[in-house]
Amino acid sequence: AQSVTQLDSHVSVSEGTPVLLRCNYSSSYSPSLFWYVQHPNKGLQLLLKYTSAATLVKGINGFEAEFKKSETSFHLTKPSAHMSDAAEYFCVVSFTGTASKLTFGTGTRLQVTL
Amino acid sequence: GEEVAQTPKHLVRGEGQKAKLYCAPIKGHSYVFWYQQVLKNEFKFLISFQNENVFDETGMPKERFSAKCLPNSPCSLEIQATKLEDSAVYFCASSQSDIQYFGAGTRLSVL
Repeated sequence: AQSVTQLDSHVSVSEGTPVLLRCNYSSSYSPSLFWYVQHPNKGLQLLLKYTSAATLVKGINGFEAEFKKSETSFHLTKPSAHMSDAAEYFCVVSFTGTASKLTFGTGTRLQVTL
Repeated sequence: GEEVAQTPKHLVRGEGQKAKLYCAPIKGHSYVFWYQQVLKNEFKFLISFQNENVFDETGMPKERFSAKCLPNSPCSLEIQATKLEDSAVYFCASSQSDIQYFGAGTRLSVL
């Protein structure tokens, strides 16, 4: 069985300050891990993925995530938040490989203030 | 196409009516997935296809829900006799690797 826990339902940061969105996972097998972003009334866009290569993964729009097996974590970070980053972020896990269904966390709403 | 196309964007049905949702995957992608997003943040996997064959249907409700992916046609998800609890956003995704690309979703409102 696999599961994902996003530790914060809501995170608020000021524009220009760092972003940290936390995610812990549970998986019986070597997982594939993803972060997706959902802007209001839009579909899901892939930010980045981890599939057992480098533990520090770089994604789009300046986002990064670090896979820490010992902590079963895959936290998402960005050095400097922008207003356009305000959205819902989902940490997602699947078994490695094509065609595996995705298991979603419950999401973290990122609010960016001036 | 270059993106997953879902139609309609919004569907309103009275309780007990049928609802049919469509999904055109990205050209060349062999796998199609359906997910249900309820209460804004809870995603539930429903079913997946490899081409026209059901690959995994472990999340599909046994009653009232059915899905198809036929050659040269959009995939479809059909709900017979909709219930209030079926109100949700239904997302389709397609893939040819471990990355799934999502459509914009169909919002189903059951009144």
